[in-house]
Amino acid sequence: DGGITQSPKYLFRKEGQNVTLSCEQNLNHDAMYWYRQDPGQGLRLIYYSQIVNDFQKGDIAEGYSVSREKKESFPLTVTSAQKNPTAFYLCASSIGGRVEAFFGQGTRLTVV
Amino acid sequence: GQQVMQIPQYQHVQEGEDFTTYCNSSTTLSNIQWYKQRPGGHPVFLIQLVKSGEVKKQKRLTFQFGEAKKNSSLHITATQTTDVGTYFCAENQAGTALIFGKGTTLSVSS
Repeated sequence: DGGITQSPKYLFRKEGQNVTLSCEQNLNHDAMYWYRQDPGQGLRLIYYSQIVNDFQKGDIAEGYSVSREKKESFPLTVTSAQKNPTAFYLCASSIGGRVEAFFGQGTRLTVV
Repeated sequence: GQQVMQIPQYQHVQEGEDFTTYCNSSTTLSNIQWYKQRPGGHPVFLIQLVKSGEVKKQKRLTFQFGEAKKNSSLHITATQTTDVGTYFCAENQAGTALIFGKGTTLSVSS
């Protein structure tokens, strides 16, 4: 069954801890993206990668880091430097540019 | 930063009424995509518009791309409770990633 999988669905962490969100796709897509969603803010781009071993910062990259060592995986680390990490995080992938993106189910991160 | 503006932010309608959301940009858009996110769900692709003045229909949904490619609209005829959700427009900028508007949240009462 092809798709894009994010895990876990819900995640709780204590303030000051780094946390890594998983994103895996078996669609053979080259491009992968991470978005953050807050109420009334739409989807804001954190990082994106158009090819393995390469990634670019989006509009709100501060406090986040990513890696793209494999085509199918694009994990996002929320570091302790991120001031307001509690949010809904969405991972997406696409074949390339200017085509539809497929989204994972999202991870709701709560930092207490 | 944000390059596509969506209005309204919220819209409530009675079932059977029509609904329209608008997406505007100060610069020419290369293309526009529309997504729907159901409450508690993730965005799902609806359609992509590329050509100036393009109009596409999907059952009760009509999508338009402006002649100057600076605006787009999504119109739903005779809304149903299944239309509830947030509708996003997004531009897929060449060489980068989808940039989303803030969305229009539609609620429908029966």
